[in-house]
Amino acid sequence: DTGVSQNPRHKITKRGQNVTFRCDPISEHNRLYWYRQTLGQGPEFLTYFQNEAQLEKSRLLSDRFSAERPKGSFSTLEIQRTEQGDSAMYLCASSRTSGQNQETQYFGPGTRLLVL
Amino acid sequence: GNSVTQMEGPVTLSEEAFLTINCTYTATGYPSLFWYVQYPGEGLQLLLKATKADDKGSNKGFEATYRKETTSFHLEKGSVQVSDSAVYFCALRRFGGNTPLVFGKGTRLSVIA
Repeated sequence: DTGVSQNPRHKITKRGQNVTFRCDPISEHNRLYWYRQTLGQGPEFLTYFQNEAQLEKSRLLSDRFSAERPKGSFSTLEIQRTEQGDSAMYLCASSRTSGQNQETQYFGPGTRLLVL
Repeated sequence: GNSVTQMEGPVTLSEEAFLTINCTYTATGYPSLFWYVQYPGEGLQLLLKATKADDKGSNKGFEATYRKETTSFHLEKGSVQVSDSAVYFCALRRFGGNTPLVFGKGTRLSVIA
């Protein structure tokens, strides 16, 4: 396993701008999750996919947020019209639903967003 | 709803001291329980897990036992090292498969030589 990768690692943007983050899961992991972590808090669930289907969205995911996983491999998370309250670490995780270590979620290093 | 409460930090210990980080949960059904660790500058890593009552998860000298009667999953280590300095997160996953994790707020541990 090469691990979950996320890009960019850091993003600074001005309020009102749109940003997009990318997550590449561990190959053959069919589930992919997005979480958000603010300073001093644990990660909070945003949304997750099984293959290309988005199965659940948290109430934290406002209309300004959209996530896709078009081919069931990498995923993108877009935030439109960013607000200062969007500043956080955005974490991606992936897991498999069968085989060894199924159900264990493996996390990427995160993308740190700062909205000025 | 589902929630996890863990003891607030920071926790500062001397090397070779005994560590306990308390974690209790609220959940419907029978969740799976996890401890994740975040070392400085690194991503979250699974430390150990337990999927049913009375299971004991263990790894790298850390242990935690799934206690259904007290809805707890306390993390313990008999002798901590400086390299154990990190933030520790307790988490649960709803019963029923690969559902999202619910995390506690994390406990920062600092071990001094």
